[in-house]
Order: sequence, then structure tokens, then C-alpha cells
Amino acid sequence: SQQGEEDPQALSIQEGENATMNCSYKTSINNLQWYRQNSGRGLVHLILIRSNEREKHSGRLRVTLDTSKKSSSLLITASRAADTASYFCATDVRGGSEKLVFGKGMKLTVNP
Amino acid sequence: NAGVTQTPKFRVLKTGQSMTLLCAQDMNHEYMYWYRQDPGMGLRLIHYSVGEGTTAKGEVPDGYNVSRLKKQNFLLGLESAAPSQTSVYFCASNNRQGQAQHFGDGTRLSIL
Repeated sequence: SQQGEEDPQALSIQEGENATMNCSYKTSINNLQWYRQNSGRGLVHLILIRSNEREKHSGRLRVTLDTSKKSSSLLITASRAADTASYFCATDVRGGSEKLVFGKGMKLTVNP
Repeated sequence: NAGVTQTPKFRVLKTGQSMTLLCAQDMNHEYMYWYRQDPGMGLRLIHYSVGEGTTAKGEVPDGYNVSRLKKQNFLLGLESAAPSQTSVYFCASNNRQGQAQHFGDGTRLSIL
């Protein structure tokens, strides 16, 4: 069964706006990761946040983690058309051996 | 530095045919993974390997076999292809449990 669920499933915004994506998960984790997938390509790792961290930044990306609510959010600031892609959260489940568990993904469209 | 390379990129098979998908990584990673991606289903783990000579089952292993004879290569085999195996197959690798995974660009497989 899916561990992570992204919300919303699709988001369409204008260039320059901020985009926020949410991920909820079910069990305890060691870390949570966000990936981007451009059309026809493989997934690309964006950022990893550990279970003892609450917020992390990388360029225009800001990730938060609330382990009490079992949720994470990915904020992309000042979005660009090139940010158009599918975004996935993935969890490193505590006690879950060597596997990451991916959500179903959400589609972000940034209109120029 | 090519990262993770998957061959072939596209393939069409007839039901009952067999084939092998090849994944090669040049990052000296210990862990390698095979996923399938279907619309609305996200990524599902088929098999994985934690080192040369080892393999383990993932979430959806039935109908597939794998081998890891060399550290840099991870092969996924379909012995008797079925239409339900029509999918996009992704290979990924990393060097430690829970670390970011590096993905190839996928193999698009259609089974008629």
C-alpha cells in the first residue's frame, strides 16, 4: 500500500507564483524525500529531510516536516515554466529495510 | 559521468516473449532497484539488490526475475511477457539505505 499521498493531485499556477505541495504518510520514518519527474524522464532527487529536522531549504525549495501530523510540505517559490513536472514524496520507513516508498505523485503546471 | 543508464529505451513485445532490461551505473553504488510506473499508481518496487550477488523481492515481484552478477549492473528479466506488464520501468541506485536514489530515464515496454 502507498505510504505517502501527495495533495493536491494537480496544481496549475502562473509563473512567479508560489506552489505548495503536501505529502501525508502513515508510519514512522527515518527521512522523507522529494523528487521531480519531467515528462518522459526519470525521477530527480530534490531534497531530503530527516525525521529530527523541521525545515530545510535548497535554493527556491523549502521543505517542512511535521512528524506529529505525519505530513510534509514542499514549497517552490517564484515558480518558473521549467518547474512544470510531476513531484513525488518518498519515505524511508523506520524498520522498513532498504526500500523507499513513493507516493503516487502530483502534477504541477506553471503557465508562462 | 553517465549516472544510471537503462537499455533499451523502448521495446514492443508479443505476449509470451521474453526479454531482459539492463541497468548500468557508474557511481559504484551498492544498492540498486527496479520499479515500474503505471498511470495513477506511482512507482512500485519490483526487486532490489543490496550488493553484488544479492537480490530481494519488492512489492510486485511476480512475473519478473533479476540478477546482480556485477556490482555495476542489475538485470530485470521477463520470462513470458503478459499485457499486464506493459509499463515504464525505472532503475535506480544509491549507496546506503535511505539515501537519495539516482534514476535512469526508463524503459517503455509495450506487450501486445
